[in-house]
Amino acid sequence: GDSVTQTEGPVTVSESESLIINCTYSATSIAYPNLFWYVRYPGEGLQLLLKVITAGQKGSSRGFEATYNKETTSFHLQKASVQESDSAVYYCALGGSALGRLHFGAGTQLIVIP
Amino acid sequence: GPKVLQIPSHQIIDMGQMVTLNCDPVSNHLYFYWYKQILGQQMEFLVNFYNGKVMEKSKLFKDQFSVERPDGSYFTLKIQPTALEDSAVYFCASSLRDTLYFGEGSRLIVV
Repeated sequence: GDSVTQTEGPVTVSESESLIINCTYSATSIAYPNLFWYVRYPGEGLQLLLKVITAGQKGSSRGFEATYNKETTSFHLQKASVQESDSAVYYCALGGSALGRLHFGAGTQLIVIP
Repeated sequence: GPKVLQIPSHQIIDMGQMVTLNCDPVSNHLYFYWYKQILGQQMEFLVNFYNGKVMEKSKLFKDQFSVERPDGSYFTLKIQPTALEDSAVYFCASSLRDTLYFGEGSRLIVV
Protein backbone atom coordinates (compact mmCIF):
# COMPACT_ATOMS: atom_id res chain seq x y z
CA GLY A 1 0.00 0.00 0.00
CA ASP A 2 0.88 3.66 0.18
CA SER A 3 2.56 4.66 3.41
CA VAL A 4 5.13 6.85 5.10
CA THR A 5 7.60 5.99 7.84
CA GLN A 6 9.56 8.66 9.68
CA THR A 7 11.95 9.00 12.59
CA GLU A 8 10.24 8.22 15.84
CA GLY A 9 10.32 11.09 18.28
CA PRO A 10 10.96 12.93 20.34
CA VAL A 11 14.21 14.14 18.85
CA THR A 12 16.19 16.44 21.10
CA VAL A 13 18.85 18.72 19.62
CA SER A 14 20.83 21.61 21.06
CA GLU A 15 20.47 25.00 19.44
CA SER A 16 22.81 25.57 16.47
CA GLU A 17 23.34 21.85 15.97
CA SER A 18 22.36 20.09 12.78
CA LEU A 19 19.19 18.06 12.35
CA ILE A 20 18.00 15.22 10.19
CA ILE A 21 14.57 13.64 10.40
CA ASN A 22 14.30 10.56 8.23
CA CYS A 23 11.34 9.85 6.00
CA THR A 24 10.81 6.92 3.66
CA TYR A 25 7.75 6.20 1.62
CA SER A 26 6.03 3.42 -0.23
CA ALA A 27 3.92 4.45 -3.21
CA THR A 28 2.41 1.37 -4.80
CA SER A 29 -0.74 2.99 -6.19
CA ILE A 30 0.57 6.46 -6.99
CA ALA A 31 2.20 6.85 -10.36
CA TYR A 32 3.89 10.18 -9.63
CA PRO A 33 4.36 10.65 -5.89
CA ASN A 34 4.49 14.13 -4.44
CA LEU A 35 6.26 14.59 -1.14
CA PHE A 36 5.58 17.09 1.60
CA TRP A 37 6.79 18.16 4.99
CA TYR A 38 4.18 19.72 7.25
CA VAL A 39 4.85 21.27 10.65
CA ARG A 40 2.73 21.95 13.70
CA TYR A 41 4.12 24.55 16.08
CA PRO A 42 2.84 24.53 19.66
CA GLY A 43 -0.69 25.90 19.80
CA GLU A 44 -1.02 26.22 16.04
CA GLY A 45 -2.50 24.28 13.15
CA LEU A 46 -0.70 22.08 10.67
CA GLN A 47 1.05 24.10 8.00
CA LEU A 48 3.02 23.26 4.90
CA LEU A 49 6.78 23.56 5.34
CA LEU A 50 7.94 22.44 1.91
CA LYS A 51 6.98 20.22 -0.96
CA VAL A 52 8.65 18.55 -3.92
CA ILE A 53 6.73 17.00 -6.77
CA THR A 54 9.59 15.95 -9.04
CA ALA A 55 12.04 13.16 -8.23
CA GLY A 56 15.61 14.40 -7.83
CA GLN A 57 14.56 17.91 -6.85
CA LYS A 58 15.20 19.62 -3.53
CA GLY A 59 12.75 21.75 -1.63
CA SER A 60 13.69 24.31 0.96
CA SER A 61 11.99 26.65 3.41
CA ARG A 62 12.99 28.45 6.63
CA GLY A 63 16.46 26.86 6.45
CA PHE A 64 15.07 23.34 6.10
CA GLU A 65 15.81 21.20 3.05
CA ALA A 66 14.57 17.88 1.73
CA THR A 67 15.54 16.02 -1.43
CA TYR A 68 13.13 13.68 -3.20
CA ASN A 69 15.17 10.51 -3.77
CA LYS A 70 13.26 8.03 -5.91
CA GLU A 71 16.00 5.37 -5.75
CA THR A 72 15.96 5.16 -1.97
CA THR A 73 12.29 6.25 -1.69
CA SER A 74 13.34 8.84 0.85
CA PHE A 75 12.59 12.47 1.64
CA HIS A 76 14.70 13.26 4.70
CA LEU A 77 14.35 16.67 6.33
CA GLN A 78 17.58 18.46 7.21
CA LYS A 79 18.68 21.71 8.75
CA ALA A 80 22.25 22.79 9.29
CA SER A 81 21.65 24.84 12.43
CA VAL A 82 18.41 24.58 14.39
CA GLN A 83 16.89 27.30 16.53
CA GLU A 84 14.72 27.04 19.61
CA SER A 85 11.79 28.32 17.52
CA ASP A 86 12.03 25.17 15.37
CA SER A 87 10.61 23.13 18.23
CA ALA A 88 7.48 21.57 16.74
CA VAL A 89 6.07 18.32 15.38
CA TYR A 90 7.11 17.54 11.81
CA TYR A 91 5.06 15.32 9.51
CA CYS A 92 6.24 13.75 6.29
CA ALA A 93 3.42 13.16 3.81
CA LEU A 94 2.95 11.38 0.51
CA GLY A 95 0.52 12.64 -2.11
CA GLY A 96 0.08 12.61 -5.84
CA SER A 97 -3.16 10.77 -6.32
CA ALA A 98 -5.66 12.45 -8.60
CA LEU A 99 -7.92 13.40 -5.71
CA GLY A 100 -5.24 14.94 -3.53
CA ARG A 101 -5.35 12.44 -0.68
CA LEU A 102 -2.28 12.58 1.61
CA HIS A 103 -0.71 9.73 3.56
CA PHE A 104 0.98 11.00 6.70
CA GLY A 105 3.82 9.67 8.76
CA ALA A 106 3.35 9.45 12.50
CA GLY A 107 5.03 12.78 13.12
CA THR A 108 8.34 13.54 14.81
CA GLN A 109 8.46 15.88 17.76
CA LEU A 110 11.55 18.06 17.67
CA ILE A 111 12.74 19.64 20.90
CA VAL A 112 15.48 22.23 20.55
CA ILE A 113 17.35 23.00 23.75
CA PRO A 114 18.69 26.54 24.06
CA GLY B 1 -1.12 32.22 4.29
CA PRO B 2 -4.55 30.81 3.49
CA LYS B 3 -6.59 29.88 6.53
CA VAL B 4 -9.00 27.06 7.16
CA LEU B 5 -11.22 27.64 10.17
CA GLN B 6 -12.82 24.91 12.21
CA ILE B 7 -15.69 25.19 14.65
CA PRO B 8 -15.87 24.03 17.41
CA SER B 9 -12.32 23.63 18.63
CA HIS B 10 -13.47 21.27 21.36
CA GLN B 11 -16.66 19.34 22.01
CA ILE B 12 -17.71 16.79 24.59
CA ILE B 13 -20.71 14.71 23.66
CA ASP B 14 -22.62 11.76 25.05
CA MET B 15 -22.30 8.48 23.18
CA GLY B 16 -25.20 8.02 20.78
CA GLN B 17 -25.78 11.71 20.23
CA MET B 18 -25.20 13.49 16.95
CA VAL B 19 -22.32 15.91 16.37
CA THR B 20 -21.57 18.25 13.50
CA LEU B 21 -18.07 19.56 12.92
CA ASN B 22 -17.85 22.68 10.79
CA CYS B 23 -15.11 23.78 8.45
CA ASP B 24 -14.74 27.08 6.65
CA PRO B 25 -12.29 26.28 3.83
CA VAL B 26 -10.11 28.65 1.86
CA SER B 27 -12.45 30.65 -0.34
CA ASN B 28 -11.36 29.62 -3.85
CA HIS B 29 -10.51 26.02 -3.05
CA LEU B 30 -12.24 23.17 -4.80
CA TYR B 31 -11.29 20.05 -2.85
CA PHE B 32 -12.20 19.43 0.77
CA TYR B 33 -10.99 16.78 3.16
CA TRP B 34 -11.47 15.38 6.63
CA TYR B 35 -8.70 13.61 8.52
CA LYS B 36 -8.88 11.91 11.91
CA GLN B 37 -6.14 11.65 14.50
CA ILE B 38 -6.62 9.52 17.58
CA LEU B 39 -4.36 10.53 20.47
CA GLY B 40 -0.87 9.15 19.96
CA GLN B 41 -1.63 7.81 16.51
CA GLN B 42 -1.12 8.86 12.91
CA MET B 43 -3.35 11.31 11.11
CA GLU B 44 -5.61 9.21 8.88
CA PHE B 45 -7.58 10.19 5.80
CA LEU B 46 -11.36 9.94 6.12
CA VAL B 47 -12.89 11.45 3.02
CA ASN B 48 -12.51 13.94 0.22
CA PHE B 49 -15.22 15.97 -1.45
CA TYR B 50 -15.35 17.74 -4.76
CA ASN B 51 -18.10 19.38 -6.76
CA GLY B 52 -20.71 18.45 -4.20
CA LYS B 53 -19.81 14.78 -4.04
CA VAL B 54 -17.73 12.37 -2.01
CA MET B 55 -14.91 11.31 -4.31
CA GLU B 56 -13.00 8.94 -2.09
CA LYS B 57 -13.40 7.59 1.41
CA SER B 58 -11.40 5.32 3.65
CA LYS B 59 -12.57 2.39 5.72
CA LEU B 60 -12.56 4.75 8.72
CA PHE B 61 -15.45 6.66 7.16
CA LYS B 62 -18.20 4.60 8.74
CA ASP B 63 -21.85 4.58 7.72
CA GLN B 64 -22.56 6.89 10.66
CA PHE B 65 -20.43 9.59 9.03
CA SER B 66 -21.64 12.02 6.40
CA VAL B 67 -20.27 15.15 4.77
CA GLU B 68 -21.83 18.00 2.88
CA ARG B 69 -21.28 21.58 1.83
CA PRO B 70 -24.68 23.10 1.22
CA ASP B 71 -24.66 26.19 -1.00
CA GLY B 72 -20.95 26.81 -0.61
CA SER B 73 -21.17 27.39 3.11
CA TYR B 74 -19.42 25.33 5.75
CA PHE B 75 -18.04 21.94 4.83
CA THR B 76 -19.44 19.72 7.57
CA LEU B 77 -18.72 16.32 9.03
CA LYS B 78 -21.67 14.80 10.81
CA ILE B 79 -21.49 11.74 13.01
CA GLN B 80 -24.79 10.16 13.95
CA PRO B 81 -24.81 8.33 16.28
CA THR B 82 -21.45 8.86 17.93
CA ALA B 83 -19.47 6.02 19.47
CA LEU B 84 -16.64 6.02 22.02
CA GLU B 85 -14.09 5.21 19.32
CA ASP B 86 -14.99 8.43 17.52
CA SER B 87 -13.06 10.36 20.14
CA ALA B 88 -10.25 12.04 18.22
CA VAL B 89 -9.12 15.29 16.69
CA TYR B 90 -10.73 15.89 13.31
CA PHE B 91 -8.84 18.02 10.84
CA CYS B 92 -10.42 19.72 7.89
CA ALA B 93 -8.34 20.63 4.86
CA SER B 94 -8.92 22.26 1.52
CA SER B 95 -6.93 22.56 -1.66
CA LEU B 96 -6.95 24.05 -5.11
CA ARG B 97 -4.61 21.41 -6.51
CA ASP B 98 -1.95 19.41 -4.70
CA THR B 99 -1.22 21.49 -1.59
CA LEU B 100 -3.58 20.96 1.31
CA TYR B 101 -4.21 23.69 3.86
CA PHE B 102 -5.35 22.44 7.24
CA GLY B 103 -7.44 23.81 10.04
CA GLU B 104 -6.35 23.61 13.66
CA GLY B 105 -8.62 20.68 14.34
CA SER B 106 -11.76 19.95 16.31
CA ARG B 107 -11.18 17.81 19.37
CA LEU B 108 -14.14 15.50 19.92
CA ILE B 109 -14.57 13.60 23.15
CA VAL B 110 -17.35 11.03 23.29
CA VAL B 111 -18.30 9.94 26.80
